[in-house]
Amino acid sequence: GAVVSQHPSRVICKSGTSVKIECRSLDFQATTMFWYRQFPKQSLMLMATSNEGSKATYEQGVEKDKFLINHASLTLSTLTVTSAHPEDSSFYICSARLVKGSETQYFGPGTRLLVL
Amino acid sequence: GQQLNQSPQSMFIQEGEDVSMNCTSSSIFNTWLWYKQDPGEGPVLLIALYKAGELTSNGRLTAQFGITRKDSFLNISASIPSDVGIYFCAGRNAGNNRKLIWGLGTSLAVNP
Repeated sequence: GAVVSQHPSRVICKSGTSVKIECRSLDFQATTMFWYRQFPKQSLMLMATSNEGSKATYEQGVEKDKFLINHASLTLSTLTVTSAHPEDSSFYICSARLVKGSETQYFGPGTRLLVL
Repeated sequence: GQQLNQSPQSMFIQEGEDVSMNCTSSSIFNTWLWYKQDPGEGPVLLIALYKAGELTSNGRLTAQFGITRKDSFLNISASIPSDVGIYFCAGRNAGNNRKLIWGLGTSLAVNP
């Protein structure tokens, strides 16, 4: 149980295009999902908290118009990197909290984004 | 943002050896989580701790929630090559907005 999937696993795009990453909880409902960014050999950096049916909460320094988050259902959250630039290249990982009140987060396999 | 102090930063050991790593915080935590991340993959939960003093095992892995609630350790016994990876601690303190705070990771290499 507690499986989280991400799609795509890797994507290469041209500068200026937008990229959508999907995060799905496969065998449970997740009222809260989280989006992280990870640079090589570094820890995870929380970008935003995605709540089903409401606006995402962004961390300080993360542009909400740049990184659009939609959590339209209890099993799906999407992150759209708009007008991507090479500095947006990174490893993006989502996680989902299993039940309300539990702090345990289960992670997806990540999406490697390369912007040329 | 706030980060946990995780040590050691890296370890290189022989297969069969035991491993110990720990995380400390300047504030009291309510939850400690230990994850392992393989290259190009998302972190996988190893052990979750919710009570001070709690000692929990998962196969060859054992983790404890420190009594002071400001630290946690993870032990791996009789290491094997597939233990290679980066181990992260994560926790939540009482004053935090339910977000996890992450350690910087311990990179483990095992020599067969």
